Amino acid sequence: QKEVEQDPGPLSVPEGAIVSLNCTYSNSAFQYFMWYRQYSRKGPELLMYTYSSGNKEDGRFTAQVDKSSKYISLFIRDSQPSDSATYLCAMSAYTGANSKLTFGKGITLSVRP
Amino acid sequence: DAGVTQSPTHLIKTRGQHVTLRCSPISGHKSVSWYQQVLGQGPQFIFQYYEKEERGRGNFPDRFSARQFPNYSSELNVNALLLGDSALYLCASSLTGGNTGELFFGEGSRLTVL
Repeated sequence: QKEVEQDPGPLSVPEGAIVSLNCTYSNSAFQYFMWYRQYSRKGPELLMYTYSSGNKEDGRFTAQVDKSSKYISLFIRDSQPSDSATYLCAMSAYTGANSKLTFGKGITLSVRP
Repeated sequence: DAGVTQSPTHLIKTRGQHVTLRCSPISGHKSVSWYQQVLGQGPQFIFQYYEKEERGRGNFPDRFSARQFPNYSSELNVNALLLGDSALYLCASSLTGGNTGELFFGEGSRLTVL
């Protein structure tokens, strides 16, 4: 079993839809949770950064972390064609020594005009 | 301000050759990490350096090595290239070496091994 599992894609939605992206994980030591967006042939760009459980909102994006269920989600409201990209969840455990991230496989989202 | 810069952006090598990839972090960032992203997969951690010291190493063979220079730039070296080394190699920088800093990624070096 992989440490981080991400819902398989691809995902295609109409413009304006609410999108829900999810990841599960098995390592209970993970405390830092991130969502990255990666456009084709570009490096990942940090969207959301959350420590421990709870919700975090930034504009049209909401990140949720449920450590008891080892489950994280990213919601995108009023999705736009410019949101079309690959979304990667990433996590890290506190080591004090390094910031090693463990990524999910990524899901490709397409928002149709 | 310039982001993380990587060179070369694309390169083609043949099996058995050696490759050196270079990374310049964001100004003021002292930590550099390297990740390998195979097509259709998420990035996998290779190395992290902070203040020129290795802070972490992923599950990669000894053919992979890296170093960080006094100006905080970094090189990733891969010897005896295999077809399976074909991937996007990403460099990320952060202010600190620990978990509290955000990682900022460059656009990557796309390596094709024939």
